[in-house]
Amino acid sequence: DADVTQTPRNRITKTGKRIMLECSQTKGHDRMYWYRQDPGLGLRLIYYSFDVKDINKGEISDGYSVSRQAQAKFSLSLESAIPNQTALYFCATGLAGRDTQYFGPGTRLTVL
Amino acid sequence: TQLLEQSPQFLSIQEGENLTVYCNSSSVFSSLQWYRQEPGEGPVLLVTVVTGGEVKKLKRLTFQFGDARKDSSLHITAAQPGDTGLYLCAGVETSGSRLTFGEGTQLTVNP
Repeated sequence: DADVTQTPRNRITKTGKRIMLECSQTKGHDRMYWYRQDPGLGLRLIYYSFDVKDINKGEISDGYSVSRQAQAKFSLSLESAIPNQTALYFCATGLAGRDTQYFGPGTRLTVL
Repeated sequence: TQLLEQSPQFLSIQEGENLTVYCNSSSVFSSLQWYRQEPGEGPVLLVTVVTGGEVKKLKRLTFQFGDARKDSSLHITAAQPGDTGLYLCAGVETSGSRLTFGEGTQLTVNP
């Protein structure tokens, strides 16, 4: 079984809809991250959380919100989706004091 | 935010050729990582280089961290079709809390 899972894997939605992407991990890691990937731009950090009570904005947080429901769960919401939020979204986990991040398989989101 | 520039963005070569991918920044990183990503999957860590001037080898892959810890390179010897994928460099910020990713290099090795 995968250590980091993301649901859904693919989603097509319309402009203005509220969307939630979910991430779960069984690695026991305290840190969780949300990134988006666009062609030619690499991965850009949206939000990150070092524990359940800690939420931090990344470099592109506008238009997004997150919730850390438990150590193992970190969800990303698009309050009112817009077409330029069409991208691949990745969740990642890590341990305090360790730099390696472990990525989920990604969610392909299309906003029409 | 510290920036990383990766080049080339695309690389298409024949099996058996050698190649080098570069990752450059004007900022100092505490360490630098290289990830490989295949279609439909998330990036997977290949190596972390920590010390300025460090060289690490992983079979046919050689990773180097610049003396000033601002740049890195990935050299692949005798590339094989199985090396095809997106290669991403990522700098660990000196604060130790976040990764900054380069734009990625899409490598295609043709049989």
